[in-house]
Amino acid sequence: DTEVTQTPKHLVMGMTNKKSLKCEQHMGHRAMYWYKQKAKKPPELMFVYSYEKLSINESVPSRFSPECPNSSLLNLHLHALQPEDSALYLCASSQVGGFGNEKLFFGSGTQLSVL
Amino acid sequence: GENVEQHPSTLSVQEGDSAVIKCTYSDSASNYFPWYKQELGKRPQLIIDIRSNVGEKKDQRIAVTLNKTAKHFSLHITETQPEDSAVYFCAALPSGSARQLTFGSGTQLTVLP
Repeated sequence: DTEVTQTPKHLVMGMTNKKSLKCEQHMGHRAMYWYKQKAKKPPELMFVYSYEKLSINESVPSRFSPECPNSSLLNLHLHALQPEDSALYLCASSQVGGFGNEKLFFGSGTQLSVL
Repeated sequence: GENVEQHPSTLSVQEGDSAVIKCTYSDSASNYFPWYKQELGKRPQLIIDIRSNVGEKKDQRIAVTLNKTAKHFSLHITETQPEDSAVYFCAALPSGSARQLTFGSGTQLTVLP
């Protein structure tokens, strides 16, 4: 299985809502990532988990809260978002360290619209 | 930190022609250079990658070249087809434990039938 699975595929939420994005992989990867992507722009790194511990937070606002319940799952909890947070949210996974283990596998993303 | 510049931002070619996209990077410690293709509304897909100990890699119609001295790498697509139309992103990964890919700004490739 070389898939990273994300749910939901689409999400529309109001600024007062609370929602969660989910990501799952069964490739045995111990690094998992959240990226935000605006149309035709490169993905922007938000968070990195390594061995289920948060290792990188790219100064993301607290209205985005990541969680890594186990080595296969990654969640992104959303609360009090702003319209400018509307974007494609991509999950990715990779091996941790080692020459030859650099490949990053992306999920299909959640297209988020904040009204 | 690493900085990756990508050119051109848009590229239109006739079907059957070749397309070349170029990237430069700043961190001489970078040792892994992937290229991603992203069709509209879909995930970025790794199409080819190259490591710093190799100068060129080819996979059917796609090739990547790396010049470590000049710190630039290029994607070459030959015999382009309409299904090659997409946004292409280059990226660079510095060696070390923090696996943070730095992406280029992207190239919108349009293959005209």
